[in-house]
Amino acid sequence: NAGVTQTPKFRILKIGQSMTLQCAQDMNHNYMYWYRQDPGMGLKLIYYSVGAGITDKGEVPNGYNVSRSTTEDFPLRLELAAPSQTSVYFCASSYETSRGDEQFFGPGTRLTVL
Amino acid sequence: KNQVEQSPQSLIILEGKNCTLQCNYTVSPFSNLRWYKQDTGRGPVSLTIMTFSENTKSNGRYTATLDADTKQSSLHITASQLSDSASYICVVPNAGNNRKLIWGLGTSLAVNP
Repeated sequence: NAGVTQTPKFRILKIGQSMTLQCAQDMNHNYMYWYRQDPGMGLKLIYYSVGAGITDKGEVPNGYNVSRSTTEDFPLRLELAAPSQTSVYFCASSYETSRGDEQFFGPGTRLTVL
Repeated sequence: KNQVEQSPQSLIILEGKNCTLQCNYTVSPFSNLRWYKQDTGRGPVSLTIMTFSENTKSNGRYTATLDADTKQSSLHITASQLSDSASYICVVPNAGNNRKLIWGLGTSLAVNP
């Protein structure tokens, strides 16, 4: 199993450009998440999905869009990139158990907007 | 406001020594508490998940404790190794919602030879 994979690993964007961060998981998990992590800050939830076709906003959704057409894939779209979106982006997936769910993270995408 | 606070912010210890990291939370209702380890430049990795009825949970050299009455948790690392150098993050679901987690800022641990 590859687990959670993310592409690209690094990207530099100019202000106003758009891009899609790719995320895929091969564990058949229902739940998927997108987080951003800024230096010295805790992870912030951008969007999450509870299954194919179902997404919902997290704490910091502005400037981002998501879709989930399959169980495996959960891309994050940045429209009109801004310097404030410079961050490390992590995708995660999980499944529910009676004790809570363990989230499995991808390696991250480091994005710089100049 | 639901919050997760960790101490110390950073810690330096010698290889082979033990250490204890602290987490205080003010989240209600409470369902579970997680500890994650994040190596520099990598995604977090789960160490433990504790429900409100559990007091202690071990994962190898890592032992987590939970006091739901005082809303405190600790992570004890025994016989530290160089590979334990990482950030250790305490995480609690916001108002019991497992989809929306409150992530602490982490304790940055450096284990020196």
